Amino acid sequence: GQQLNQSPQSMFIQEGEDVSMNCTSSSIFNTWLWYKQDPGEGPVLLIALYKAGELTSNGRLTAQFGITRKDSFLNISASIPSDVGIYFCAGLTPSGYALNFGKGTSLLVTP
Amino acid sequence: SAVISQKPSRDICQRGTSLTIQCQVDSQVTMMFWYRQQPGQSLTLIATANQGSEATYESGFVIDKFPISRPNLTFSTLTVSNMSPEDSSIYLCSVGVANDNQPQHFGDGTRLSIL
Repeated sequence: GQQLNQSPQSMFIQEGEDVSMNCTSSSIFNTWLWYKQDPGEGPVLLIALYKAGELTSNGRLTAQFGITRKDSFLNISASIPSDVGIYFCAGLTPSGYALNFGKGTSLLVTP
Repeated sequence: SAVISQKPSRDICQRGTSLTIQCQVDSQVTMMFWYRQQPGQSLTLIATANQGSEATYESGFVIDKFPISRPNLTFSTLTVSNMSPEDSSIYLCSVGVANDNQPQHFGDGTRLSIL
């Protein structure tokens, strides 16, 4: 599979702060997905992006599909303690059928 | 989105034994995938479970070690054979429609520990 570079690896922030994380790839993707994984559970889809330049929101979450099709970012505004978890980016290449995952961003939020 | 159920949710197994993990979906899906998530790591694709034909394995994974069945469009199994401590991982089933702008959804996984 294709290598995805996800950063930062971890974040430790205070409640109310905004968060930004991103993923880059050396290859073009035609789909970018962002998942959140809580302990003991499988990844849950947060946002799906299908077009270059697309900006999509889901509540306090906003994600964008980079114009070059090689990157994506996820922003979380006004973080709350339940945002704690591991966030994964995942991408699908034009010729692929299965996802390539980033290494994850571990988010800790203090009250 | 499809509801995905995996069984068992967790197990502790002895070295050298085999365990079969089941994945049941509440609707017919074209593509089913099996992933491994080693402790503290990201997800790695093991194979694509194809209905009516052999599974397609990714580099580093072989059928003898991870045999897969896909008898119909709602069910698949993954067997972890001749287990060793290095096989201790979370095994996740996911479903999606290939190249149709349908995002993949995951089950809650099977947490496997080998002693």
